[in-house]
Amino acid sequence: DADVTQTPRNRITKTGKRIMLECSQTKGHDRMYWYRQDPGLGLRLIYYSFDVKDINKGEISDGYSVSRQAQAKFSLSLESAIPNQTALYFCATSERQGVMETQYFGPGTRLLVL
Amino acid sequence: GIQVEQSPPDLILQEGANSTLRCNFSDSVNNLQWFHQNPWGQLINLFYIPSGTKQNGRLSATSVATERYSLLYISSSQTTDSGVYFCAVVGGNTGKLIFGQGTTLQVKP
Repeated sequence: DADVTQTPRNRITKTGKRIMLECSQTKGHDRMYWYRQDPGLGLRLIYYSFDVKDINKGEISDGYSVSRQAQAKFSLSLESAIPNQTALYFCATSERQGVMETQYFGPGTRLLVL
Repeated sequence: GIQVEQSPPDLILQEGANSTLRCNFSDSVNNLQWFHQNPWGQLINLFYIPSGTKQNGRLSATSVATERYSLLYISSSQTTDSGVYFCAVVGGNTGKLIFGQGTTLQVKP
């Protein structure tokens, strides 16, 4: 969805470098998520945030950190990148209405760590 | 945690054929979504369908919550349908989507 944008779309970096991936949304959703996808696999949750003051670890948070700067912005950082962090990274947003909740994904960021 | 299994893992079709993709999950869910990931990596929402049946053009989906499965039907397949189809579910109030491994579909002209 164009309402969820990610920058950069592609990035090549070297082992040990710090890198930040940014996500912005215009949907007005409170909930935001970061996932990574490895080749041939489904997406796995790294971190999620239900509002600006709420940050939670997902299933694979080691080596990552996040910052929720505003309702519309959620950044993912790799403090010291390593080659096995090479993956496709997705940001997503959602809004919970009762028990209903649909997640909307950004276009993804392809990261290569050399 | 909830386990999500999709079948078949791979599917090759001739253009115009119909197909059924299946998603089984191990516990009750509040949310089930089907996504299509195109060859460029973009994830496209197809359906939000924790229960019942929905249709959108050549695609339709049915979820039977009590039996813990969902089906995605693709009719009159086209080459643009190629890609990976993911089922993802949320259990409880976490909001966290748990993805299956996907079904890779190739539609040949």
